Amino acid sequence: QVQLVQSGAEVKKPGSSVKVSCKASGGTLSNYAVSWVRQAPGQGLEWMGGIIPPSRAADYAQKFKGRVTIATDASSNTVYMEMSSLTSDDTAVYYCARGSTRGTYSDYLDPWGQGTLVAVSS
Amino acid sequence: DFQMTQSPSSLSAFVGDRVTITCRASESISTYLNWYQQTPGKAPKLLISAASNLQSGVPSRFSGSGSGTDFTLTITSLQPEDFATYYCQQSYSTLPTFGQGTKVEIK
Repeated sequence: QVQLVQSGAEVKKPGSSVKVSCKASGGTLSNYAVSWVRQAPGQGLEWMGGIIPPSRAADYAQKFKGRVTIATDASSNTVYMEMSSLTSDDTAVYYCARGSTRGTYSDYLDPWGQGTLVAVSS
Repeated sequence: DFQMTQSPSSLSAFVGDRVTITCRASESISTYLNWYQQTPGKAPKLLISAASNLQSGVPSRFSGSGSGTDFTLTITSLQPEDFATYYCQQSYSTLPTFGQGTKVEIK
């Protein structure tokens, strides 16, 4: 069964950028809606945006438009999430999750990656 | 935006108790409602889709019900491994939104 494997933890300075990867093994991401969800320490789940490989068009929650870029490399079965202008409020665990092939992000999410901690500190 | 409100935010229960968690949508979402379980340090795990469809491998003590704006997740006999945080998620609108979570703790 498909597993999503994310890149490792990052420590970043305020104002910098971070790029997190999400690679599928044992299955494909092509034609599946792939979402990014973040979870600040002690907080709930927040949908950030998503992409449906191999399309390069992504969608974003209003809060993240202009600061987050989600991209895909279909040849390597990988999706990326890049966030710029980091502040301490961006300290969180970032998850990728696979949805359905129905062409919508709004479906159940399964499976999830293991999560990537991004810590922003001066 | 579709707002999802869970209640309670937290609860304490004994092993063996019956537990019910409620999720309310700001507008009708038919049965486009999913439930997840998250244990500390782990990614969320899908338990129930479409309000009542139990996922493969999820114990039958978990069940979901509801439609429209009001939904419930019930655990009939709480087990030690069920102590976790539970989230609902609507999949009706174009972009998904989550409830704020319900933490189930040991009494």
